[in-house]
Amino acid sequence: SSELTQDPAVSVALGQTVRITCQGDSLRSYYARWYQQKPGQAPVLVIYGKNNRPSGIPDRFSGSSSGDTASLTITGAQAEDEADYYCNSRDSSGNVVFGGGTKLTVL
Amino acid sequence: QVQLVQSGSELKKPGASVKVSCKASGYTFTSYAMNWVRQAPGQGLEWMGWINTNTENPTYAQGFTGRFVFSLDTSVSTAYLQISSLKADDTAVYYCARDRDSFDYWGQGTLVTVSS
Repeated sequence: SSELTQDPAVSVALGQTVRITCQGDSLRSYYARWYQQKPGQAPVLVIYGKNNRPSGIPDRFSGSSSGDTASLTITGAQAEDEADYYCNSRDSSGNVVFGGGTKLTVL
Repeated sequence: QVQLVQSGSELKKPGASVKVSCKASGYTFTSYAMNWVRQAPGQGLEWMGWINTNTENPTYAQGFTGRFVFSLDTSVSTAYLQISSLKADDTAVYYCARDRDSFDYWGQGTLVTVSS
């Protein structure tokens, strides 16, 4: 299957740690990339490769992977982290696939 | 600095066509593939396909064949998405995104509204 499955919604208390997961067969072969999207804005890449952050992304964002599941962890979540988060990867044909997205609420 | 600047919002009637542009600056245009991503109102991101900026060869995702055309004008570092025979469910924000194994820069998005 080329699908990526994410929990629709996750919440975290301010300052606490939250993990957002992404599951799919393609993740056994390709690292997930993670994107943050705030309302009315374009997505922003936050994690790529094994665990790489583009310039300007806070180090509270980290990525990991095990088997068919990739995780985005926010350590010490801030109010500004409230957003939708999407994972993506590539299937065996090289086509890009996105997860359905996770809405993160910071309480 | 790298920028992808897309054309403005469009309001079209069913059956019409639309052409969205994505002008790149701040990098060598032909060094990165260009992808297109659709986001319907209140929905997630949907990959439409990509175009090789060296060969100009497009690849379309399932569900985006026939009415969707990706093209380039490398002389002005611009990618285009054309959609023909527009339907109401084509109403969405369309994004271009630079790609070298990850979508590291995105355009600001172009809202296409299809309504009679």
